[in-house]
Amino acid sequence: EDKVVQSPLSLVVHEGDTVTLNCSYEVTNFRSLLWYKQEKKAPTFLFMLTSSGIEKKSGRLSSILDKKELFSILNITATQTGDSAVYLCAVLGRRNEKLTFGTGTRLTIIP
Amino acid sequence: GAGVSQSPSNKVTEKGKDVELRCDPISGHTALYWYRQSLGQGLEFLIYFQGNSAPDKSGLPSDRFSAERTGGSVSTLTIQRTQQEDSAVYLCATGPYQETQYFGPGTRLLVL
Repeated sequence: EDKVVQSPLSLVVHEGDTVTLNCSYEVTNFRSLLWYKQEKKAPTFLFMLTSSGIEKKSGRLSSILDKKELFSILNITATQTGDSAVYLCAVLGRRNEKLTFGTGTRLTIIP
Repeated sequence: GAGVSQSPSNKVTEKGKDVELRCDPISGHTALYWYRQSLGQGLEFLIYFQGNSAPDKSGLPSDRFSAERTGGSVSTLTIQRTQQEDSAVYLCATGPYQETQYFGPGTRLLVL
């Protein structure tokens, strides 16, 4: 069974700090790893990673995948209060066609 | 509309009643997923539709849950004889393929 574990479960930092969120996974025939941001009900897509060592970047957010060690990290620099959300990691295997989600990291940014 | 829509946005029902949740996908999206998110939990896969293929129902928690997708477009998730543990946010996601899933706003279900 595919499995995704995220850490930490929650994180509280001050505005301006840099944070690193972790995602480790076990999946049969890895296909891709995705990061989502969930503020209220619907998650919004952040990144899709398929290759090791290639950083994806969008503004203050960046992510990288290590397929050998089976993990990914999501970095947020110069955090703002609007970054407060639950960040979800999900993996897709070639055997299954459904995303398996982790339980998320709840990030709170204190002004 | 431009995005995935779901209705109702909120539903309160009594234990034992049946409920129907609706998902209107983005036009042209062949993949449609239903997920459930209980309070403080991650997203739990329920069912997946892809085009005209038989749906993947492997995530449905019991036979009280069923879903259909008519004409490859609108989908309905039905929960029969609701229980209190069914209370959750039910999210629909659609996409042109599995990786790119656009989520709807969800339906918050409360079973009293």
